[in-house]
Amino acid sequence: GDSVTQMEGPVTLSEEAFLTINCTYTATGYPSLFWYVQYPGEGLQLLLKATKADDKGSNKGFEATYRKETTSFHLEKGSVQVSDSAVYFCALSGRRGGSEKLVFGKGTKLTVNP
Amino acid sequence: EPEVTQTPSHQVTQMGQEVILRCVPISNHLYFYWYRQILGQKVEFLVSFYNNEISEKSEIFDDQFSVERPDGSNFTLKIRSTKLEDSAMYFCASSAGERGNEQFFGPGTRLTVL
Repeated sequence: GDSVTQMEGPVTLSEEAFLTINCTYTATGYPSLFWYVQYPGEGLQLLLKATKADDKGSNKGFEATYRKETTSFHLEKGSVQVSDSAVYFCALSGRRGGSEKLVFGKGTKLTVNP
Repeated sequence: EPEVTQTPSHQVTQMGQEVILRCVPISNHLYFYWYRQILGQKVEFLVSFYNNEISEKSEIFDDQFSVERPDGSNFTLKIRSTKLEDSAMYFCASSAGERGNEQFFGPGTRLTVL
């Protein structure tokens, strides 16, 4: 079945450091790819998405490119802030009979220190 | 901004008791989902619901689970006879349904089974 593998955490960085969180996937067909973020005590929020190969999703300084040849969707940010501290989830969805269930990775906890 | 709401935020119950978790999805959304996250583990899909019926369910979603949209606004998850291993955070989500559309998540209900 479909699956997502993402970099184990936790990740601790200093403010203004460069961030990469690796994500690879296994899926049949052409899934859509997502990064969700979960701030402490809150639900999951969509950070960015890409729906086809070579698409780049971006939001709040974060970027990820849908790489079909390497089945990857790595998350990057050039300069992290303390407010970026959260858990980041890579996910994919593929339509099955109208449903687009999300398959999530295990999540990567990011802590950014001032 | 419209949001998904869930009640209660925390539910404590005894093993074998029935629980109902409630969600109010975003009003013009058509697809509804339940996911769960056992502490320290990945977010897992339970069930999707469209046009008043289940469109897909996971192997976790056995006969002890049921979903309902009783009044056109609420979306409920019932666990008939809770087990210790049902202790988890349960997230409701909704989407407009187009391919690759964002699923909007509620803040979750933490279920603790004693």
